[in-house]
Amino acid sequence: QVQLQESGPGLVKPSETLSLTCTVSGGSISSNYWSWIRQPPGKGLEWIGYFYYSGSTNYNPSLKTRVTISLDTSKNHFSLRLSSVTAADTAVYYCARHLGGYHVFDIWGQGTMVTVSS
Amino acid sequence: EIVLTQSPATLSLSPGERATLSCRASQSVGSYLAWYQQKPGQAPRLLIYDASTRATGIPARFSGSGSGTDFTLTISSLEPEDFAVYYCQQRSNWPPALTFGGGTEVEIK
Repeated sequence: QVQLQESGPGLVKPSETLSLTCTVSGGSISSNYWSWIRQPPGKGLEWIGYFYYSGSTNYNPSLKTRVTISLDTSKNHFSLRLSSVTAADTAVYYCARHLGGYHVFDIWGQGTMVTVSS
Repeated sequence: EIVLTQSPATLSLSPGERATLSCRASQSVGSYLAWYQQKPGQAPRLLIYDASTRATGIPARFSGSGSGTDFTLTISSLEPEDFAVYYCQQRSNWPPALTFGGGTEVEIK
């Protein structure tokens, strides 16, 4: 079955760029929509954006100016870049697969904690 | 931006009782409403999509209803493993965005 695994630095300095990768196993990334979602400690969920394998993207308007999501089909993974981070970007970051053409998330990674601090 | 408001924030119930969770949208989302369950230290799990369709492997005690702006998740008889936080999520066409509600915690009374 399809599994997702996030990876990347757990600590990022303020004003720098947060970079995470989600590796997809058990299936091809060349189908479906793929999203990043985050959850600040003790708080709710926030959708960051998605990438469709055909190349189209859609980002949360509140983060749009700072976010880039991309796919690497040769490595079967997709990536998140979030620039100019502040302490407010401290969160658990999840990658997730959309269920078919529905914009709901049926498979999630385990999540990775990213702390923004000097 | 469409805002989802979940109520109550916390629901205190005993195993075997019925749980009724509410999600209200600031404008119509049609039937594009999903529900997730999240336990501490775990990723969310998809329960319901398209307002009332159970996801694969979800027990029949979970049911969803509603359309437009008012939605309900019902757990007919709470099992010990059902005590968790529940989130609703919508997808809007314009502005194109996916948003979550603030969550309802179902705790053991």
